[in-house]
Amino acid sequence: NAGVMQNPRHLVRRRGQEARLRCSPMKGHSHVYWYRQLPEEGLKFMVYLQKENIIDESGMPKERFSAEFPKEGPSILRIQQVVRGDSAAYFCASSPTATGGGYNEQFFGPGTRLTVL
Amino acid sequence: LAKTTQPISMDSYEGQEVNITCSHNNIATNDYITWYQQFPSQGPRFIIQGYKTKVTNEVASLFIPADRKSSTLSLPRVSLSDTAVYYCLVGDILTGGGNKLTFGTGTQLKVEL
Repeated sequence: NAGVMQNPRHLVRRRGQEARLRCSPMKGHSHVYWYRQLPEEGLKFMVYLQKENIIDESGMPKERFSAEFPKEGPSILRIQQVVRGDSAAYFCASSPTATGGGYNEQFFGPGTRLTVL
Repeated sequence: LAKTTQPISMDSYEGQEVNITCSHNNIATNDYITWYQQFPSQGPRFIIQGYKTKVTNEVASLFIPADRKSSTLSLPRVSLSDTAVYYCLVGDILTGGGNKLTFGTGTQLKVEL
């Protein structure tokens, strides 16, 4: 069973361009989370999605950032008009459908490292 | 969400036992304590979780005193490959998804020969 897959692993964009990050959750997982990690810092929650629904986007910047998890295909984190401050590692995690009491572990992908020139 | 405090860094040698303590004075009744490990250029990986007393699995033990205001992750006989950042997380992170994890700055563990 393949783990969470993210691509690209490294992405370089110039200021003003769009960045599109993809995440394929583990097989059988219906919950997807996106986190951002700045250098020397811990991960910060951005958004939680289920298929075709955004459940919690309390960590998403109000402008330029959007996320989706379509019925078919990977989850996409889109950053429009990137700025240098967007340079960071973006991690996707997935968890299985809730089935009862207990901890619903999140499994993380390897991350996409975005560099904005 | 309860705030956590951990040492910024720790050094150890191969074969030693390492104990990393996390303070969480404002932990709530429904909160669990979870530890994640992160290697450079990788996503975090779940290590262990507990609510009270002691929990042990194949890689670590977690000690939680009765007042639950702190917890200690114990790594027996560390090796060079245990060099990583260790995060202590506290929250009501149970079934249902939607459980956004709140990471602090973590503890950078460095293991040497």
